Amino acid sequence: DGGITQSPKYLFRKEGQNVTLSCEQNLNHDAMYWYRQDPGQGLRLIYYSQIVNDFQKGDIAEGYSVSREKKESFPLTVTSAQKNPTAFYLCASSIFPIPNSYEQYFGPGTRLTVT
Amino acid sequence: KQEVTQIPAALSVPEGENLVLNCSFTDSAIYNLQWFRQDPGKGLTSLLLIQSSQREQTSGRLNASLDKSSGRSTLYIAASQPGDSATYLCAPRAGSYQLTFGKGTKLSVIP
Repeated sequence: DGGITQSPKYLFRKEGQNVTLSCEQNLNHDAMYWYRQDPGQGLRLIYYSQIVNDFQKGDIAEGYSVSREKKESFPLTVTSAQKNPTAFYLCASSIFPIPNSYEQYFGPGTRLTVT
Repeated sequence: KQEVTQIPAALSVPEGENLVLNCSFTDSAIYNLQWFRQDPGKGLTSLLLIQSSQREQTSGRLNASLDKSSGRSTLYIAASQPGDSATYLCAPRAGSYQLTFGKGTKLSVIP
């Protein structure tokens, strides 16, 4: 089955610890994205990558870091500098450039709780 | 900066009713607009994508319309079912990749 997998589904961490969220896709997509969703809020873009070994900051990149060493993988690290890390994190992918007729596909998400 | 508003924020209807969800956006220079469904604690499932050159898209009981010039899109759900209960998100794409999301409409269909 083609798709996007995110692991783990739930993640609990103590304040001050860095944590890495996994995102893998087997859709052969060039571009990958990380979004954050807070209750009652729209999704906000954290980082995106259009090609291997390249990535760009989105609207809320502070306190996060990413890498793109392989086409199919785009891990997100939530660092201790992120002031409010508790949220639902969604990974997405698409071909790039994206034709007007093409969608972004989303993974199942990781719920991170930091106490 | 693109801003997306979805009205109403929540909607409760009896099973079998037809309903309309509304989405408005401030930047009409969009490439396309996607409607998504999100079940509690789950990821997003794409329902429909309307290209900027299109007025409507249909999939089964769902029909989405787009009026780009006025910055509006609607999602029409016919003969609603309890399984349609979810949060519905709209997301216009104004740049080469960037989707901007509304806060969603939470739909409850009562049996």
